[in-house]
Amino acid sequence: DTGVSQNPRHKITKRGQNVTFRCDPISEHNRLYWYRQTLGQGPEFLTYFQNEAQLEKSRLLSDRFSAERPKGSFSTLEIQRTEQGDSAMYLCASSPGGRWDEKLFFGSGTQLSVL
Amino acid sequence: AQSVTQLGSHVSVSEGALVLLRCNYSSSVPPYLFWYVQYPNQGLQLLLKYTSAATLVKGINDFEAEFKKSETSFHLTKPSAHMSDAAEYFCAVISNTDKLIFGTGTRLQVFP
Repeated sequence: DTGVSQNPRHKITKRGQNVTFRCDPISEHNRLYWYRQTLGQGPEFLTYFQNEAQLEKSRLLSDRFSAERPKGSFSTLEIQRTEQGDSAMYLCASSPGGRWDEKLFFGSGTQLSVL
Repeated sequence: AQSVTQLGSHVSVSEGALVLLRCNYSSSVPPYLFWYVQYPNQGLQLLLKYTSAATLVKGINDFEAEFKKSETSFHLTKPSAHMSDAAEYFCAVISNTDKLIFGTGTRLQVFP
């Protein structure tokens, strides 16, 4: 068990560029979540997957955001035409699943800075 | 809809003093409540959770929290603070669609 891995740890980009983040969950965890955390705030839910199916998307996830989990293992979060307001820590979490997810394991996050 | 409110964005204590971090919840159904800790440059770690069993919940590193339905509270306490407890602490509740909803966090500073 190597934990939830996120890459890159830091990303600096210019406004208008596209960025992609990757999350590798704990092996055999069938649920994968994406959260966004800005300074002084708690993590805000973005979306989650049950295996390869995307089950829920937050209203925070604008059309510029897309998440995939093609084979039910790793996931990618892409932001197109980045804006300064997208600057945040993007957190990934995984869990074994179940009726409710009391055992969420979080990665260390990807810190995005949009200049 | 379920939500949590953390009172006090910053708490400062001396080493060895009592730690008290406040969390109040709002839920139309019996809630499942959690406390997470986030150390600098690290991911969130589960400290403890309440799942409708015992109202006094013990977690890691001598932290504990008491579920009080009459006060809709789930405050986190530790009898004696250590320097290593300095971190950001988040209260969270399970929503009716099975996802964690977090509070805004409380930053704990511990002074020698």
